[in-house]
Amino acid sequence: EPEVTQTPSHQVTQMGQEVILRCVPISNHLYFYWYRQILGQKVEFLVSFYNNEISEKSEIFDDQFSVERPDGSNFTLKIRSTKLEDSAMYFCASSVTRGETQYFGPGTRLLVL
Amino acid sequence: QKEVEQNSGPLSVPEGAIASLNCTYSDRGSQSFFWYRQYSGKSPELIMFIYSNGDKEDGRFTAQLNKASQYVSLLIRDSQPSDSATYLCAAQLPNTGNQFYFGTGTSLTVIP
Repeated sequence: EPEVTQTPSHQVTQMGQEVILRCVPISNHLYFYWYRQILGQKVEFLVSFYNNEISEKSEIFDDQFSVERPDGSNFTLKIRSTKLEDSAMYFCASSVTRGETQYFGPGTRLLVL
Repeated sequence: QKEVEQNSGPLSVPEGAIASLNCTYSDRGSQSFFWYRQYSGKSPELIMFIYSNGDKEDGRFTAQLNKASQYVSLLIRDSQPSDSATYLCAAQLPNTGNQFYFGTGTSLTVIP
């Protein structure tokens, strides 16, 4: 069964550094998403992406964040100048089309020191 | 205001019993609702979705939706210890694009 994959599974970085989180959505899916879950808190929407552009973004997704689909398979989330409060689990998800079920990847646990 | 509320629990049920998980939402524009299961440290895993009023059954799981009361629930019959997890309710609002709004989740423990 096709799955969303994410790399790395864990990332430790120093405050102020840039990180890139990678995702490979399910191959026939057209919509891609990033969510964040701070430990013990709810899953929060960051951004959705369709047809090589951002479809929607939340208040969390400020200028520090960017997304890109650099090739036909990868979908990345870049966090510039990381802050302590960026420490969280970051989930990538994808769906066949708008409004359909979103399937989540295993997540990348980011720790900013 | 787009809020999804869940009782955080913990909810404990004996093995074989029915577990009832509840979720309310504030935005009447919400159209689709999803139940995900999340084991500690893992990603959300889809259980089922519902978008029509009434009940929807899938194996041991039944989702119930009442749009007039802005209420959605998940029943787990014949609960198993492997069902012990956090259950996330998510609402999808078409007017806001495609994002899901998640509740904080209800922690369920099934006692053998």
